[in-house]
Amino acid sequence: SQQGEEDPQALSIQEGENATMNCSYKTSINNLQWYRQNSGRGLVHLILIRSNEREKHSGRLRVTLDTSKKSSSLLITASRAADTASYFCATDTGRRALTFGSGTRLQVQP
Amino acid sequence: GAGVSQSPSNKVTEKGKDVELRCDPISGHTALYWYRQSLGQGLEFLIYFQGNSAPDKSGLPSDRFSAERTGGSVSTLTIQRTQQEDSAVYLCASSFPGQGDEKLFFGSGTQLSVL
Repeated sequence: SQQGEEDPQALSIQEGENATMNCSYKTSINNLQWYRQNSGRGLVHLILIRSNEREKHSGRLRVTLDTSKKSSSLLITASRAADTASYFCATDTGRRALTFGSGTRLQVQP
Repeated sequence: GAGVSQSPSNKVTEKGKDVELRCDPISGHTALYWYRQSLGQGLEFLIYFQGNSAPDKSGLPSDRFSAERTGGSVSTLTIQRTQQEDSAVYLCASSFPGQGDEKLFFGSGTQLSVL
């Protein structure tokens, strides 16, 4: 199975609401990254959190990391229709390429 | 170039034919990655290059898949005797290791359809 698993698989919210996505992983990591994918094509890096960090912010994004539970969450505040996309977590274990989870499809209704 | 460039953007082929997918990474990025994404699924790692060498080929699904990289730049992923299950979006990414925490820069992918 995948190193990272996102939850939920799909999420539908109204514009202005907050969206929370979770990621669980299995092995120890150097860092965990979140990416966004529009229309099933190229991914765009959003934010990176190192294994010794617990929380990080970037604009409307807030990422938390709990290494004891091997989990991370991505919070998007005050969502917009343009945030509609698939969101993936990716783990860097230092051994090979980033391992991506299965993604959360976010739909923001205007 | 300004970003990672992949070509073609779409490829339709018949079962049994060979295909070549090209990736032109960001200039100066020494690491290059190939991933595959089936419809509605996550990314499946295929192969990783550091310079022209491939330290990790463990993700290649069969011996019909091969990849090379020349001049530390352009990479080609070749699929021989394509099968319908090879249909997917093939994504290429590059990065510049040595900066500590690497983030990947992705191309727009090649949508491969095997009929």
